[in-house]
Amino acid sequence: AQKITQTQPGMFVQEKEAVTLDCTYDTSDPSYGLFWYKQPSSGEMIFLIYQGSYDQQNATEGRYSLNFQKARKSANLVISASQLGDSAMYFCAMREGGAAGNKLTFGGGTRVLVKP
Amino acid sequence: GAGVSQSPSNKVTEKGKDVELRCDPISGHTALYWYRQSLGQGLEFLIYFQGNSAPDKSGLPSDRFSAERTGGSVSTLTIQRTQQEDSAVYLCASNKKSGGQETQYFGPGTRLLVL
Repeated sequence: AQKITQTQPGMFVQEKEAVTLDCTYDTSDPSYGLFWYKQPSSGEMIFLIYQGSYDQQNATEGRYSLNFQKARKSANLVISASQLGDSAMYFCAMREGGAAGNKLTFGGGTRVLVKP
Repeated sequence: GAGVSQSPSNKVTEKGKDVELRCDPISGHTALYWYRQSLGQGLEFLIYFQGNSAPDKSGLPSDRFSAERTGGSVSTLTIQRTQQEDSAVYLCASNKKSGGQETQYFGPGTRLLVL
């Protein structure tokens, strides 16, 4: 079974509008962390935002916020006021605790194209 | 400060040749990871080093792949007898082992093309 699922392979968004990128995860570990990374066409992986499994509040970082619904095992990324520079691939990733070690498991990504 | 650096940026090789990819982590980061990203795909974990502990090699796809980390800093990923399916971007990441968030910061990657 996929540990991280991103169901939207690609999406268009109008500049200045908000966009939600879906991410669902599968783990039986009570302690885990969820990350979102942005990968522009240049190829670098840029860290955006983090949510810990025990965090009581949804994470926010500037225009990025994470809609964390623990019972549904979803961690959707919301980008507000989209800008042209937001056009990129976006990856959701999970780090589990215990024997899984510190490695990140990534979803397949969502390509976002912001239209002017 | 300086981020994670990787070299070479691009590597073209012939099938059957060996290649070495280098990663220089962020200074002070004790954990180092290698991932592979095939075209249009997400990242796939390869290997993880933490301090002086034995590396987690659980993601290496075959015994043609190996990695070492000398002096707790620079790491080299070696692929022997390269195959065309090894063509991918190889990404290195590092983080500080501190408990909690431990965000991994990535290098720019090495684009490997096996002809």
